[in-house]
Amino acid sequence: KAGVTQTPRYLIKTRGQQVTLSCSPISGHRSVSWYQQTPGQGLQFLFEYFSETQRNKGNFPGRFSGRQFSNSRSEMNVSTLELGDSALYLCASSPQGVATEAFFGQGTRLTVV
Amino acid sequence: DQQVKQNSPSLSVQEGRISILNCDYTNSMFDYFLWYKKYPAEGPTFLISISSIKDKNEDGRFTVFLNKSAKHLSLHIVPSQPGDSAVYFCAASITGGGNKLTFGTGTQLKVEL
Repeated sequence: KAGVTQTPRYLIKTRGQQVTLSCSPISGHRSVSWYQQTPGQGLQFLFEYFSETQRNKGNFPGRFSGRQFSNSRSEMNVSTLELGDSALYLCASSPQGVATEAFFGQGTRLTVV
Repeated sequence: DQQVKQNSPSLSVQEGRISILNCDYTNSMFDYFLWYKKYPAEGPTFLISISSIKDKNEDGRFTVFLNKSAKHLSLHIVPSQPGDSAVYFCAASITGGGNKLTFGTGTQLKVEL
Protein backbone atom coordinates (compact mmCIF):
# COMPACT_ATOMS: atom_id res chain seq x y z
CA LYS A 1 0.00 0.00 0.00
CA ALA A 2 1.54 3.30 -1.07
CA GLY A 3 2.20 5.91 1.60
CA VAL A 4 1.46 9.60 1.61
CA THR A 5 3.05 11.30 -1.38
CA GLN A 6 3.95 14.97 -1.42
CA THR A 7 5.18 16.88 -4.44
CA PRO A 8 7.44 18.58 -5.04
CA ARG A 9 10.04 17.65 -2.43
CA TYR A 10 11.92 20.91 -2.72
CA LEU A 11 10.96 24.39 -3.91
CA ILE A 12 12.69 27.73 -4.07
CA LYS A 13 10.48 30.77 -4.55
CA THR A 14 10.93 34.51 -4.46
CA ARG A 15 9.22 36.82 -2.00
CA GLY A 16 5.82 37.92 -3.30
CA GLN A 17 5.27 34.84 -5.44
CA GLN A 18 2.70 32.17 -4.76
CA VAL A 19 3.16 28.43 -4.45
CA THR A 20 1.00 25.30 -4.63
CA LEU A 21 1.92 22.09 -2.86
CA SER A 22 0.29 18.74 -3.52
CA CYS A 23 -0.51 15.76 -1.32
CA SER A 24 -1.85 12.32 -2.27
CA PRO A 25 -3.08 10.47 0.82
CA ILE A 26 -3.01 6.76 1.47
CA SER A 27 -5.67 5.00 -0.59
CA GLY A 28 -8.96 4.96 1.29
CA HIS A 29 -8.03 7.76 3.67
CA ARG A 30 -10.49 10.63 3.60
CA SER A 31 -8.86 13.07 6.00
CA VAL A 32 -5.87 15.18 4.96
CA SER A 33 -4.15 17.63 7.28
CA TRP A 34 -1.33 20.08 6.65
CA TYR A 35 1.39 21.17 9.07
CA GLN A 36 4.22 23.66 8.94
CA GLN A 37 7.48 22.79 10.64
CA THR A 38 10.02 25.48 11.46
CA PRO A 39 13.00 25.26 13.81
CA GLY A 40 11.56 27.75 16.25
CA GLN A 41 7.89 26.73 16.27
CA GLY A 42 7.89 22.97 15.83
CA LEU A 43 4.95 21.44 13.95
CA GLN A 44 2.06 23.85 13.62
CA PHE A 45 -1.36 22.77 12.35
CA LEU A 46 -2.52 24.59 9.24
CA PHE A 47 -5.84 22.97 8.31
CA GLU A 48 -7.67 19.68 7.86
CA TYR A 49 -9.91 18.54 5.04
CA PHE A 50 -12.37 15.69 5.25
CA SER A 51 -14.56 14.66 2.33
CA GLU A 52 -13.67 17.85 0.44
CA THR A 53 -14.66 20.14 3.33
CA GLN A 54 -12.34 22.14 5.53
CA ARG A 55 -13.09 20.90 9.01
CA ASN A 56 -10.37 22.56 11.10
CA LYS A 57 -8.17 25.58 10.65
CA GLY A 58 -5.09 26.68 12.57
CA ASN A 59 -3.90 30.19 13.36
CA PHE A 60 -2.37 31.12 10.05
CA PRO A 61 -3.12 34.17 7.89
CA GLY A 62 -5.51 33.97 4.95
CA ARG A 63 -2.54 33.75 2.56
CA PHE A 64 -2.55 30.06 3.43
CA SER A 65 -5.38 28.15 1.80
CA GLY A 66 -6.15 24.64 0.72
CA ARG A 67 -8.61 22.36 -0.93
CA GLN A 68 -9.41 18.70 -1.29
CA PHE A 69 -10.61 16.92 -4.38
CA SER A 70 -13.14 14.10 -4.72
CA ASN A 71 -10.31 11.53 -4.84
CA SER A 72 -9.07 12.88 -1.46
CA ARG A 73 -5.94 14.43 -2.97
CA SER A 74 -5.24 17.83 -1.45
CA GLU A 75 -3.42 20.99 -2.38
CA MET A 76 -2.31 23.89 -0.26
CA ASN A 77 -1.55 27.33 -1.63
CA VAL A 78 0.46 30.13 -0.15
CA SER A 79 0.11 33.53 -1.78
CA THR A 80 2.36 36.58 -1.48
CA LEU A 81 5.21 34.56 -0.03
CA GLU A 82 7.25 36.01 2.82
CA LEU A 83 10.72 34.99 4.01
CA GLY A 84 9.14 33.59 7.17
CA ASP A 85 7.16 31.08 5.12
CA SER A 86 10.35 29.10 4.56
CA ALA A 87 9.63 25.78 6.23
CA LEU A 88 9.00 22.09 5.82
CA TYR A 89 5.35 21.57 4.90
CA LEU A 90 3.98 18.21 5.93
CA CYS A 91 0.83 16.49 4.84
CA ALA A 92 -0.81 13.77 6.92
CA SER A 93 -3.62 11.41 6.04
CA SER A 94 -5.97 9.58 8.36
CA PRO A 95 -8.52 6.90 7.59
CA GLN A 96 -11.42 8.23 9.57
CA GLY A 97 -13.12 11.39 10.66
CA VAL A 98 -12.25 10.89 14.32
CA ALA A 99 -8.98 11.26 16.16
CA THR A 100 -6.62 8.51 15.19
CA GLU A 101 -3.03 8.12 14.16
CA ALA A 102 -2.05 10.25 11.20
CA PHE A 103 0.43 9.07 8.59
CA PHE A 104 2.81 11.69 7.29
CA GLY A 105 4.43 12.25 3.94
CA GLN A 106 8.08 13.23 3.59
CA GLY A 107 7.21 16.87 3.24
CA THR A 108 7.95 19.71 0.86
CA ARG A 109 10.89 21.91 1.78
CA LEU A 110 9.99 25.48 0.74
CA THR A 111 12.67 28.13 0.69
CA VAL A 112 11.66 31.75 0.09
CA VAL A 113 14.45 34.08 -1.04
CA ASP B 1 0.15 29.48 23.96
CA GLN B 2 1.99 26.14 23.97
CA GLN B 3 -0.67 23.61 24.97
CA VAL B 4 1.69 20.63 24.64
CA LYS B 5 5.16 20.95 26.09
CA GLN B 6 8.28 18.85 25.94
CA ASN B 7 10.60 20.56 28.37
CA SER B 8 13.71 18.55 27.53
CA PRO B 9 15.06 19.53 24.12
CA SER B 10 17.59 16.71 24.22
CA LEU B 11 18.31 13.44 25.98
CA SER B 12 21.33 11.17 25.82
CA VAL B 13 21.12 7.50 26.83
CA GLN B 14 23.44 4.53 26.61
CA GLU B 15 22.55 1.61 24.38
CA GLY B 16 20.56 -1.03 26.26
CA ARG B 17 19.34 1.36 28.94
CA ILE B 18 15.88 2.87 29.29
CA SER B 19 14.96 6.12 27.55
CA ILE B 20 12.20 8.17 29.17
CA LEU B 21 10.72 11.06 27.22
CA ASN B 22 8.27 13.37 28.93
CA CYS B 23 5.39 15.51 27.76
CA ASP B 24 3.00 17.83 29.60
CA TYR B 25 -0.23 19.35 28.38
CA THR B 26 -2.46 22.12 29.62
CA ASN B 27 -5.74 21.59 27.76
CA SER B 28 -7.94 19.22 29.75
CA MET B 29 -10.06 18.61 26.64
CA PHE B 30 -7.28 16.52 25.08
CA ASP B 31 -8.28 12.86 25.24
CA TYR B 32 -6.08 11.12 22.69
CA PHE B 33 -2.30 11.23 22.71
CA LEU B 34 0.32 10.06 20.24
CA TRP B 35 4.08 9.79 19.96
CA TYR B 36 5.94 10.29 16.71
CA LYS B 37 9.55 9.77 15.75
CA LYS B 38 11.21 11.96 13.17
CA TYR B 39 14.46 11.72 11.26
CA PRO B 40 15.89 14.77 9.45
CA ALA B 41 14.34 15.47 6.04
CA GLU B 42 11.59 12.89 6.62
CA GLY B 43 8.03 13.10 7.83
CA PRO B 44 7.16 11.98 11.37
CA THR B 45 6.51 8.26 11.84
CA PHE B 46 3.76 7.14 14.19
CA LEU B 47 5.01 5.11 17.17
CA ILE B 48 2.27 4.57 19.72
CA SER B 49 -0.89 6.17 21.00
CA ILE B 50 -3.07 6.14 24.10
CA SER B 51 -6.64 7.09 24.82
CA SER B 52 -7.52 8.96 28.00
CA ILE B 53 -9.55 5.97 29.21
CA LYS B 54 -6.27 4.09 29.69
CA ASP B 55 -3.19 4.86 31.73
CA LYS B 56 -0.77 2.59 29.91
CA ASN B 57 -0.25 1.18 26.44
CA GLU B 58 2.56 -1.09 25.30
CA ASP B 59 3.89 -2.02 21.88
CA GLY B 60 7.10 -4.00 21.87
CA ARG B 61 9.92 -1.88 23.27
CA PHE B 62 7.67 1.19 23.54
CA THR B 63 5.34 1.95 26.44
CA VAL B 64 3.35 5.12 26.93
CA PHE B 65 2.07 6.14 30.37
CA LEU B 66 -0.66 8.70 30.90
CA ASN B 67 -1.30 10.54 34.17
CA LYS B 68 -4.46 12.54 33.58
CA SER B 69 -4.52 14.25 36.95
CA ALA B 70 -1.02 15.60 36.35
CA LYS B 71 -1.67 16.20 32.65
CA HIS B 72 1.52 14.30 31.93
CA LEU B 73 2.52 11.51 29.63
CA SER B 74 5.77 9.70 29.09
CA LEU B 75 7.27 7.38 26.52
CA HIS B 76 9.56 4.60 27.72
CA ILE B 77 11.88 2.83 25.30
CA VAL B 78 13.45 -0.36 26.63
CA PRO B 79 16.07 -1.34 25.66
CA SER B 80 17.29 1.71 23.76
CA GLN B 81 19.05 1.08 20.47
CA PRO B 82 21.26 3.35 18.32
CA GLY B 83 18.55 3.34 15.63
CA ASP B 84 16.22 5.03 18.11
CA SER B 85 18.27 8.23 17.81
CA ALA B 86 15.82 10.76 16.39
CA VAL B 87 13.54 13.61 17.42
CA TYR B 88 10.46 12.46 19.33
CA PHE B 89 7.26 14.48 19.30
CA CYS B 90 4.24 14.01 21.48
CA ALA B 91 0.92 15.13 20.10
CA ALA B 92 -2.60 15.50 21.44
CA SER B 93 -6.06 15.69 19.99
CA ILE B 94 -9.69 16.02 21.03
CA THR B 95 -12.29 13.41 20.10
CA GLY B 96 -14.84 15.17 17.95
CA GLY B 97 -12.27 17.70 16.88
CA GLY B 98 -11.37 15.86 13.74
CA ASN B 99 -7.76 14.93 13.14
CA LYS B 100 -6.15 18.14 14.34
CA LEU B 101 -2.98 17.29 16.25
CA THR B 102 -1.30 19.70 18.62
CA PHE B 103 2.38 18.89 18.82
CA GLY B 104 5.07 19.48 21.40
CA THR B 105 8.37 21.00 20.32
CA GLY B 106 10.19 17.69 20.33
CA THR B 107 13.01 15.97 22.21
CA GLN B 108 16.20 14.95 20.42
CA LEU B 109 17.14 11.48 21.65
CA LYS B 110 20.68 10.26 21.17
CA VAL B 111 21.45 6.64 22.00
CA GLU B 112 25.16 6.14 22.43
CA LEU B 113 27.13 2.93 22.07
